[in-house]
Amino acid sequence: SQTIHQWPATLVQPVGSPLSLECTVEGTSNPNLYWYRQAAGRGLQLLFYSVGIGQISSEVPQNLSASRPQDRQFILSSKKLLLSDSGFYLCAWSVGSMTNSYNEQFFGPGTRLTVL
Amino acid sequence: KNQVEQSPQSLIILEGKNCTLQCNYTVSPFSNLRWYKQDTGRGPVSLTIMTFSENTKSNGRYTATLDADTKQSSLHITASQLSDSASYICVVSALSGGYNKLIFGAGTRLAVHP
Repeated sequence: SQTIHQWPATLVQPVGSPLSLECTVEGTSNPNLYWYRQAAGRGLQLLFYSVGIGQISSEVPQNLSASRPQDRQFILSSKKLLLSDSGFYLCAWSVGSMTNSYNEQFFGPGTRLTVL
Repeated sequence: KNQVEQSPQSLIILEGKNCTLQCNYTVSPFSNLRWYKQDTGRGPVSLTIMTFSENTKSNGRYTATLDADTKQSSLHITASQLSDSASYICVVSALSGGYNKLIFGAGTRLAVHP
């Protein structure tokens, strides 16, 4: 069966510090991978998606970047965190064509990031 | 602008009671509509998915309805249980920019009290 892991579960970082959040998927090959951010009282916002190793698409301009060094590994990074980067970060995966609207997205447990 | 709006923002009900959550959307082109359940501090889990031709779909005590003409959906929970306490998120799928994009509502936070 497929599982998705995210770590750390919670993180408190000072403004200006770097960030690295990791997501790994098990039990599937060549998944589509996604990073979302959920701010308090807001809907999930897609930050990045990837259809393959080294292929990253950004949805919104921001202080963050993403990388996919391995097929089932997706990393979210920042060189210098801002207060506005605080939120709940979710990684998700799906399989199949990105144009198939019926593809299910499966979400990880999330990382709660607080920037002080 | 593609938007998904949910009401109410929060809801408190007693165990055993029924409730209905609402979702209005302005998304084009519409592909399908999903309801997710998100426990506090966890990732969302899919409950139902409906295409424009489906009016209703059930998953146990959860029943979702869709009116594609008025662009409204509802999620009805029957005989609520304490474990139903969670946020319920309405998500509309649209094909945009060459890929399937999910537009998320802000969710309704449901609390079921004994």
